Amino acid sequence: EVQMVESGGGLVKPGGSLRLSCAASGFNFNAAWMTWVRQAPGKGLEWIGLIKSKGGGETTDYTAPVNGRFTISRDDSKNTVYLQMNSLKSEDTAVYYCAKVRSMSCYSLDYWGQGTLVTVSS
Amino acid sequence: EIVLTQSPGTVSLSPGEGATLSCRTSQSVSSAYLAWYQQKPGQAPRLLIYGSSSRATGIPDRFSGSGSGTDFSLTISRLEPEDFAVYYCLQYHSSPSWTFGQGTKVEIK
Repeated sequence: EVQMVESGGGLVKPGGSLRLSCAASGFNFNAAWMTWVRQAPGKGLEWIGLIKSKGGGETTDYTAPVNGRFTISRDDSKNTVYLQMNSLKSEDTAVYYCAKVRSMSCYSLDYWGQGTLVTVSS
Repeated sequence: EIVLTQSPGTVSLSPGEGATLSCRTSQSVSSAYLAWYQQKPGQAPRLLIYGSSSRATGIPDRFSGSGSGTDFSLTISRLEPEDFAVYYCLQYHSSPSWTFGQGTKVEIK
């Protein structure tokens, strides 16, 4: 059974930092591309970043609003992907989900964690 | 920048009725890269359809997807009580990156 469990969310002041973790199991994590998606309260879904597998060079890509502030990394020995968030702003307040890319033929996001809430407020 | 526009924003229907949700992209995209999701309050999105028309594992056959080019749709043939939720389309495009539509809420009439 595929499982992904996010952790690390919480309340942080504007300008602060936070690191989210997503621990995965039940699939070949080493070969998987992993993404992060967020959802502001009462709003829709927003893709924020990707990390490819080691075979893909562990290349990362980000949406413009977080580029330069957020960094995605992975530790294949722990089946875990991370989201380091720096210089946080109030508009970063959201539930953050990690999601697995299904395959290189369709690129849908097939499995998601339950999400972790990040609140940026003074 | 690709924009996905979903319509209607909200639709009010009764159990047993059918629903057709639309997702229009601002430029022609590969149907292989279009997916649909269902999200209920307090839950993560669930993949329903990938490759514009293939049902994900465990998804009932009352859900179907179709479309090509810039126009895609999700059809729910007969709404069950558990189908009342928000539905999103998602498009993968090169960069790589993904774009979501803004969502369609299917509510009970």
